[in-house]
Parts: sequence; C-alpha cells; structure tokens
Amino acid sequence: EAGVAQSPRYKIIEKRQSVAFWCNPISGHATLYWYQQILGQGPKLLIQFQNNGVVDDSQLPKDRFSAERLKGVDSTLKIQPAKLEDSAVYLCASSLVTGQKGHEQYFGPGTRLTVT
Amino acid sequence: AQSVTQPDIHITVSEGASLELRCNYSYGATPYLFWYVQSPGQGLQLLLKYFSGDTLVQGIKGFEAEFKRSQSSFNLRKPSVHWSDAAEYFCAVGGGYNKLIFGAGTRLAVHP
Repeated sequence: EAGVAQSPRYKIIEKRQSVAFWCNPISGHATLYWYQQILGQGPKLLIQFQNNGVVDDSQLPKDRFSAERLKGVDSTLKIQPAKLEDSAVYLCASSLVTGQKGHEQYFGPGTRLTVT
Repeated sequence: AQSVTQPDIHITVSEGASLELRCNYSYGATPYLFWYVQSPGQGLQLLLKYFSGDTLVQGIKGFEAEFKRSQSSFNLRKPSVHWSDAAEYFCAVGGGYNKLIFGAGTRLAVHP
C-alpha cells in the first residue's frame, strides 16, 4: 500500500513570494490534515479536511495561507505572501474517517520550507 | 484545554541500556494516546496507540508504553536501545474530530 505522498521535499523562497505544496493521501482515507512543524516543536494542525469539506481550520493564518481539496483526494496548501516565520516543515497526514481508526494518522515525508 | 507535555527535550543513552521517555497529558475524558517517531528528514511513524483496555500497550520496534490515569502519564519504554533508535519521539493525545495534539518532542541520542 502506497503511503502519503508530498512534493516538493524542499523549497527555498524569498519573503513575500508565494509557494504551494501538494499532498496525495493513502487511497481510501477520507480525512486529510496539514501540519506545520517549526524547528524544535511538535506538529501543529493547520487544517483538516473530511472528503472535500473543511472540518477545522482554526489555526490556519487565513490572511496568507489557503488550502483546498477539490475532489476529496489530493490537496494543495498555499502560502502567499510568505514571511520569515513560515520557515518550517509542512506535513501532510491522512486517516480513515470513522471510529478509533480515525485517530491513527499516517504522515508523509514533509516539505521543508526555508524563507529567506 | 487539551495539552501534552514532554519534560525531557534531549536524552542520551548508551546502546543496550534501557529507555524511558516521559509524557504527561491534560484531557477531560478518557484519552486516546499515541507515540510517534520521527527520523531525520522523515515524516512521523506511529509506534503505538492506546484507546482503552489493557494499560500496557505494545508497539513496533520493541517499544511499549503504559497508561497511568492517576498520573496522567503515558511513558514510552524500551528494555534495550539500539543505535537505530536515535530519533525524535512525539507523544500525542487525540481530541475531537480525530484531531491530534502533540508534545514538543524528545530527541534521543544513542552512544555506542
């Protein structure tokens, strides 16, 4: 079974530029998550989708971050414009939608973003 | 509010020694608890999980964890550490809508 795929793996941009990350979850996983992991910290949830609907985006900085999951499968996270403090690893995860299994999240390798 | 505390930022052990990583949580109801491991440049891999029942749970790679409700703890243990266990370890508690709240992590170094 293929895991969660993410691209690119690394990205370096200047502040005020825009950037987009892509995630393809495990087949059959209805729930998709985007996390931000700043160096030295644990992952922090940015946004959670169930199918193509948003379940939780309370910690997403909506003035500069956006995310979509149009067909309920893969997803894109965008930052525009980027700030220095956005330098982090962006992790995508997926899980089944129901019951206890819904808490078992499977993570992709992440995208390491450096904003200069 | 739900939260997870991992008191130890860095731990160094010798290869073959036993290991215990501490995790304390704050959650109003019976928690779902998890341990994940992250190797350099990699995503997080699930080591083990607790939902209910037996408070001692076994995971992959020889790890186990014990849920202690009275202490609000879910400590991770391994009887004999291997050099390949060097990584960062994250404890997490499950919240509403399948949300996970992570601790800040413990970085494990293994001396030969």
